[in-house]
Amino acid sequence: GENVEQHPSTLSVQEGDSAVIKCTYSDSASNYFPWYKQELGKRPQLIIDIRSNVGEKKDQRIAVTLNKTAKHFSLHITETQPEDSAVYFCAAKGNFGNEKLTFGTGTRLTIIP
Amino acid sequence: DTAVSQTPKYLVTQMGNDKSIKCEQNLGHDTMYWYKQDSKKFLKIMFSYNNKELIINETVPNRFSPKSPDKAHLNLHINSLELGDSAVYFCASSQDMAQETQYFGPGTRLLVL
Repeated sequence: GENVEQHPSTLSVQEGDSAVIKCTYSDSASNYFPWYKQELGKRPQLIIDIRSNVGEKKDQRIAVTLNKTAKHFSLHITETQPEDSAVYFCAAKGNFGNEKLTFGTGTRLTIIP
Repeated sequence: DTAVSQTPKYLVTQMGNDKSIKCEQNLGHDTMYWYKQDSKKFLKIMFSYNNKELIINETVPNRFSPKSPDKAHLNLHINSLELGDSAVYFCASSQDMAQETQYFGPGTRLLVL
């Protein structure tokens, strides 16, 4: 089955700087890669996703890049703000409808004011 | 107007008891899921249902029995609770099995004493 590794497990950045979180996956058939943000005590919420036919996607201060050959994808947050502090999860899902979403182990991002 | 709701929000119980968690979605989605998030924040899928039919059963002890009375509801019954069952349980839904975006409920924090 799919295995998703996520690094780093914790990340502290100064407010205004950029943050990068990286994930690798094992199943070359995976074709959908979402990122979820989970604030303390809250539910995971989708912030951005990318499909395997796209190399990069951007939404305001958030971008995701995908390297299918190397089987890794990354989340980039620019101009970080205190409200970006949360746990971020990457995930991967295969092509078939009944395939599960496999999550990475999470990155706790702390923005230092 | 809550999209995915769960009850109860908190559940504290003794080892050996039986308890249920309820989930409802008003999004008109066909597919629903149960996830377990342990103390290290790992998010792992337990079950998924599509139109009341079990699709994914992720090697979960048979003390856990999901039930879907209709496609808007997916309940989770747990028999003979153990200490290791303490976790946050999240329900989620997606339009159907082909649609990857999953919407999570607020979670049920279960503590087994």
